[in-house]
Amino acid sequence: GAVVSQHPSWVICKSGTSVKIECRSLDFQATTMFWYRQFPKQSLMLMATSNEGSKATYEQGVEKDKFLINHASLTLSTLTVTSAHPEDSSFYICSARRVAGDTQYFGPGTRLTVL
Amino acid sequence: GQQVMQIPQYQHVQEGEDFTTYCNSSTTLSNIQWYKQRPGGHPVFLIQLVKSGEVKKQKRLTFQFGEAKKNSSLHITATQTTDVGTYFCAGANDYKLSFGAGTTVTVRA
Repeated sequence: GAVVSQHPSWVICKSGTSVKIECRSLDFQATTMFWYRQFPKQSLMLMATSNEGSKATYEQGVEKDKFLINHASLTLSTLTVTSAHPEDSSFYICSARRVAGDTQYFGPGTRLTVL
Repeated sequence: GQQVMQIPQYQHVQEGEDFTTYCNSSTTLSNIQWYKQRPGGHPVFLIQLVKSGEVKKQKRLTFQFGEAKKNSSLHITATQTTDVGTYFCAGANDYKLSFGAGTTVTVRA
């Protein structure tokens, strides 16, 4: 149990376009989902926390207008990278948690390349 | 804000040898978690430590949480090629996880 999927697994887009990444908890309901970013050979950096039905909480330095997060249901959260630029190229990983204090279960990640 | 430091960044180990990676937080943690990420993969949860001084074992892996709940260690005995990957500690406080920089382990046969 506790499987999290992400779609797409990889995406290549042109500079200036927007890209949507989906994160789904397949066999449990996630009250909270987290979005991380990981640069090559670096650690995971928390971008934002989203609770179902409410606005996401963004970490310091993360532009909320650029990284739009929607957590419309207990099994789905989306991250939209708007007007993507090459510096947005990264590995984006989501995680989902049933309730506070529970383990976070990570998705397989989405590798974004912006040309 | 909360910072989690992890050393060493790289660990090159002879197969069969032991090694330890260390994690230190700037603040007291509610719990600490350990993850393993294989090259090209995503982090996979290994274990969570909650109690002060807690020690847990998973086969050849021994995890320890410090008395002050600010540091932790992962010790691997008799390293195997399957142990290759990056091991991250993640300190939990409130609702957030703060990840250490990771220890990337390579093994020479």
